[in-house]
Amino acid sequence: AQKITQTQPGMFVQEKEAVTLDCTYDTSDPSYGLFWYKQPSSGEMIFLIYQGSYDQQNATEGRYSLNFQKARKSANLVISASQLGDSAMYFCAMRELQTGANNLFFGTGTRLTVIP
Amino acid sequence: DTEVTQTPKHLVMGMTNKKSLKCEQHMGHRAMYWYKQKAKKPPELMFVYSYEKLSINESVPSRFSPECPNSSLLNLHLHALQPEDSALYLCASSHQGQGGFDNQPQHFGDGTRLSIL
Repeated sequence: AQKITQTQPGMFVQEKEAVTLDCTYDTSDPSYGLFWYKQPSSGEMIFLIYQGSYDQQNATEGRYSLNFQKARKSANLVISASQLGDSAMYFCAMRELQTGANNLFFGTGTRLTVIP
Repeated sequence: DTEVTQTPKHLVMGMTNKKSLKCEQHMGHRAMYWYKQKAKKPPELMFVYSYEKLSINESVPSRFSPECPNSSLLNLHLHALQPEDSALYLCASSHQGQGGFDNQPQHFGDGTRLSIL
């Protein structure tokens, strides 16, 4: 079974509007971390935001926030006030902490296009 | 600029060549990773080094040979590659995932775009 599911292959958003990118996950590990990365066409993977399974509050980092619904196993990324530079591929990823391993499980990604 | 430096940025090689990809970080991270990423796909984990020892090998063919000479350097030696090995190769590093470092992300380099002729 897929550990991370991103159901939106592509999304479009008008500049200055907000957009939500969906991510659901599957794990039996009670301790896990969820990460969002941005990958522009140039290739580098840029870390955006982290949410821990025991965090009581939704994570926020500037224009990025995470809508974490633990019971539904979803961790959607919200980008507010979209900018042209936000056009990129966005990956949701999970690390299962109880195993002690460091490897990330990535979703298939969502390509976001910001329209002027 | 990223804190993980990968060289070269682009590499074109024939199937009989031997080449190496290099990765360097000076963030004190003790876990380092190699990923392979095909176009429009997520990164696929190849190898994980933890405290300079190979801890995970995701059934990667032996034509890819990783090496971790010290805590700051990670190499990927390439030999007799196939055209399907053409991809973006990403290196990443992170704190070892224990003792308060569980929330630390992996930091990625810009990648090496590899083309096999």
